[in-house]
Amino acid sequence: GENVEQHPSTLSVQEGDSAVIKCTYSDSASNYFPWYKQELGKRPQLIIDIRSNVGEKKDQRIAVTLNKTAKHFSLHITETQPEDSAVYFCAATNTGFQKLVFGTGTRLLVSP
Amino acid sequence: NAGVTQTPKFQVLKTGQSMTLQCAQDMNHNSMYWYRQDPGMGLRLIYYSASEGTTDKGEVPNGYNVSRLNKREFSLRLESAAPSQTSVYFCASSDHRQGNNYGYTFGSGTRLTVV
Repeated sequence: GENVEQHPSTLSVQEGDSAVIKCTYSDSASNYFPWYKQELGKRPQLIIDIRSNVGEKKDQRIAVTLNKTAKHFSLHITETQPEDSAVYFCAATNTGFQKLVFGTGTRLLVSP
Repeated sequence: NAGVTQTPKFQVLKTGQSMTLQCAQDMNHNSMYWYRQDPGMGLRLIYYSASEGTTDKGEVPNGYNVSRLNKREFSLRLESAAPSQTSVYFCASSDHRQGNNYGYTFGSGTRLTVV
């Protein structure tokens, strides 16, 4: 089955800096890669996703890139703000967009 | 539009007790899921239901059972709770039909402690 590894486990940046979180996946058949943000005590919420036929996708200050050859994908957050502080999870699936396999999460701390 | 509703939000059980976690969605999604979240381990799939009338095991199904009661409802049952089942449980739903948003919608979670 699919296996997703996520790095780093924690990331501290200053407000205004960029943050990058990286994930690798094992199954070359995986075709859908979402990213979720989970604030303390809250539910995970989808922030951006990418499908395997696209190399990059942007939404304001966040972007996701996908390298199918290397089987890795990354989340990029520019001009970070304190409200970006949260745990971020990557995920992948090879089963028709269902049954996501999640990474272990990255705790992002943005200091003012 | 409530999205995904989970009950209860908190529960304390004694070892050996049983309980059922309830989940309902009002988005007409076909697929529903139960995940558990433990520190440092991300979200792990317990069971899922690709459509009404079907259920299948995920990564960590031992000690759990599920029922897809109808298209809206998907319950998770612990028959004999163990301390290792102390965790935060999330229900989620999704719609994988072509052209729709594929992302999961999560419920607010159930924090379960087994003593």
